[in-house]
Amino acid sequence: GQNIDQPTEMTATEGAIVQINCTYQTSGFNGLFWYQQHAGEAPTFLSYNVLDGLEEKGRFSSFLSRSKGYSYLLLKELQMKDSASYLCAGVDSNYQLIWGAGTKLIIKP
Amino acid sequence: DAMVIQNPRYQVTQFGKPVTLSCSQTLNHNVMYWYQQKSSQAPKLLFHYYDKDFNNEADTPDNFQSRRPNTSFCFLDIRSPGLGDAAMYLCATSSKREGAEEQFFGPGTRLTVL
Repeated sequence: GQNIDQPTEMTATEGAIVQINCTYQTSGFNGLFWYQQHAGEAPTFLSYNVLDGLEEKGRFSSFLSRSKGYSYLLLKELQMKDSASYLCAGVDSNYQLIWGAGTKLIIKP
Repeated sequence: DAMVIQNPRYQVTQFGKPVTLSCSQTLNHNVMYWYQQKSSQAPKLLFHYYDKDFNNEADTPDNFQSRRPNTSFCFLDIRSPGLGDAAMYLCATSSKREGAEEQFFGPGTRLTVL
């Protein structure tokens, strides 16, 4: 079956760095998305990886290892507004998104 | 600004009373999606349209129906809402079905069933 695993909740301190991990099993693979979702709001796009390696975009970076079925989202210089859920979604052979349940990130001052 | 709009943002209905949620988009995207998301859970795809080609997910209950009268609008009809249908309903669009395209989400409609 198809599955996305990510931690349910993480806590980090303002100004610090946090890494949110995601492992995936999809039938076929056409890339992996990360979305940010604030409580009660819609998901917004953060990143898309289809090749191995690290993609950097400002304070946020996303990494992919296809051989390991693994990705992570790295958030640097954490701000209070980064408190949100972070959803990992794999793209299967039919270009359907297989969503994880999200990692709730709590930022403490 | 090009966007995905959902109305209403909050909908309250009675158990068993039909309800319709609406979505419109100004992105001129071919693909539109309806998701159901419950608290702390992954979004669950209910339907998607590629243009007028309707695709029903295998595990979407018959209680849920959808209409797309034109490119810009899409509706979700819940014929007889149960307490278990209380959730956030998200509409999303993408420019094409083939290829891993970013999905653009509306703000969602939070449905409460009394």
